[in-house]
Amino acid sequence: GQSLEQPSEVTAVEGAIVQINCTYQTSGFYGLSWYQQHDGGAPTFLSYNGLDGLEETGRFSSFLSRSDSYGYLLLQELQMKDSASYFCAPRTTAGKSTFGDGTTLTVKP
Amino acid sequence: GAGVSQTPSNKVTEKGKYVELRCDPISGHTALYWYRQSLGQGPEFLIYFQGTGAADDSGLPNDRFFAVRPEGSVSTLKIQRTERGDSAVYLCASSLQGGATTDTQYFGPGTRLTVL
Repeated sequence: GQSLEQPSEVTAVEGAIVQINCTYQTSGFYGLSWYQQHDGGAPTFLSYNGLDGLEETGRFSSFLSRSDSYGYLLLQELQMKDSASYFCAPRTTAGKSTFGDGTTLTVKP
Repeated sequence: GAGVSQTPSNKVTEKGKYVELRCDPISGHTALYWYRQSLGQGPEFLIYFQGTGAADDSGLPNDRFFAVRPEGSVSTLKIQRTERGDSAVYLCASSLQGGATTDTQYFGPGTRLTVL
């Protein structure tokens, strides 16, 4: 079957580092994407991992371990504007992406 | 266009009515996806087109929902006999190739459907 788990909420202060974990069970797994969504906005792409290891894009990094069916998103030097929902979305070889209920990140001053 | 566009941005209808939601993908993108999102939840997959054909329609909840993409560009999501439970934001996304690739899905702003 298919399953996807992320923490529902995370709170951190400006300037801190936060890690959002994601565990998945996906038939035909191809890669793991991460999306950000602000209240009232559309999801926007942050990062993609097709291979094991760390991908770095500015303040955001994402990690994948295929053997553990696990990934995480690392946000550094948090800013108030990073307050949003974050979704991991496993992609299958057929091209379909599945989103969970996401993690709501609140950044406090 | 520069991005994915969806019309209308808001649609209010009465229970039992028929609605059509339109998506204009990024020019040249062969893959198109429909999702719906309820408050506090993530996008729920509905259907995925590769060109003109539906590559995966496993997320359509029942036969009241139907989507087309006749020329491989614009897509229309059609909902018959709407129910209050259909109220949600309907999101469209497109990507360059889809399938087993690393390309990115670009989302439109969504259509907020309210069924009274």
